[in-house]
Amino acid sequence: SQQGEEDPQALSIQEGENATMNCSYKTSINNLQWYRQNSGRGLVHLILIRSNEREKHSGRLRVTLDTSKKSSSLLITASRAADTASYFCATAPSGNTGKLIFGQGTTLQVKP
Amino acid sequence: DTAVSQTPKYLVTQMGNDKSIKCEQNLGHDTMYWYKQDSKKFLKIMFSYNNKELIINETVPNRFSPKSPDKAHLNLHINSLELGDSAVYFCASSPWDREYTIYFGEGSWLTVV
Repeated sequence: SQQGEEDPQALSIQEGENATMNCSYKTSINNLQWYRQNSGRGLVHLILIRSNEREKHSGRLRVTLDTSKKSSSLLITASRAADTASYFCATAPSGNTGKLIFGQGTTLQVKP
Repeated sequence: DTAVSQTPKYLVTQMGNDKSIKCEQNLGHDTMYWYKQDSKKFLKIMFSYNNKELIINETVPNRFSPKSPDKAHLNLHINSLELGDSAVYFCASSPWDREYTIYFGEGSWLTVV
């Protein structure tokens, strides 16, 4: 069954604005990861947050994790047109399952 | 240098045909995967191999058969293609650790007509 569900499904903002995407999941996890997919390309890993972490930063990215609510958010600050892409959360379920489970993604459009 | 490379990138074929997609990674990872992405961008794992051993085999028709000749290669063979097999197939690899950070290939766009 699908683990991650993302909200919103689509987001359109102006360059310079912040973009926030949310992800909810169902089972206990070892970590949660965010990936980016440009149109017609493969997914690229952005950032990983472990189950014992609450917040993590990487450049203009800020990820939060609330394990009590089984949710995460990805904030992209000062967005650029080049940030236009689909963003996916993926969870590594607890236990050595050997797989990531992906959500359906949020499509972000940043208008110049 | 491409880390995870898969061929072909585009494949258009008729129903009933058999086709293969090849994948190679030069990252030295122990684990390789096949994922399928449908038209709604939903990404679902199909298979995973660790050091040539099949460790994940999700509910996939047995027309799909993965083969791993060595830990750097994982090929996908599909028999008797159906219209519903049209999708993007991603090969990927990761180190065998608890974090499973995945490195994806660029995808193979399969269209069955």
